[in-house]
Amino acid sequence: NAGVMQNPRHLVRRRGQEARLRCSPMKGHSHVYWYRQLPEEGLKFMVYLQKENIIDESGMPKERFSAEFPKEGPSILRIQQVVRGDSAAYFCASSPPFLEEQYFGPGTRLTVT
Amino acid sequence: KQEVTQIPAALSVPEGENLVLNCSFTDSAIYNLQWFRQDPGKGLTSLLLIQSSQREQTSGRLNASLDKSSGRSTLYIAASQPGDSATYLCAVPFSNDYKLSFGAGTTVTVRA
Repeated sequence: NAGVMQNPRHLVRRRGQEARLRCSPMKGHSHVYWYRQLPEEGLKFMVYLQKENIIDESGMPKERFSAEFPKEGPSILRIQQVVRGDSAAYFCASSPPFLEEQYFGPGTRLTVT
Repeated sequence: KQEVTQIPAALSVPEGENLVLNCSFTDSAIYNLQWFRQDPGKGLTSLLLIQSSQREQTSGRLNASLDKSSGRSTLYIAASQPGDSATYLCAVPFSNDYKLSFGAGTTVTVRA
């Protein structure tokens, strides 16, 4: 059973470009969470999704950020018009039922130049 | 809001010494608590999950205790090895919620 997969592992974007981060949950997991780890800071919750539904996006910046988890395919975290402050490690986690253990992917390290 | 604090922020010990890492949280109405390990530039590896009804959980050289009433958890690593060098994170779900609130971590260095 493969773990949580994220790609790309490293992403470099220039200011103003778009960044798309992908997350494939573990087999059988239908709950996906995105977290962000800014340099020298702890991990912060961004968004919680189930298939075709955003359950909680209270940790997501109001502008430029969006997330989806379609019926087919991976979950996508999209950042439009990136700025230097978006440089961080973005982690995806998945879980089976609500409130059970979360399993984390290797992360995508975004660098905005 | 759940606040999670980890003390100390960094720890350096000689090989063979036991490690004691502390985690405290402000809202004691938790469902579980997870300990993770993070290596530099890597993802998070889940070490132990303690359910709220449990007092401790063990895996190999690792033992984690949970005292909900005082809002504390302690991770013990016995007979440390250089391979244990990493950052250890404590994470707690918000009360009746799924979002994990993380501590800032304890960075451990085990000297050979």
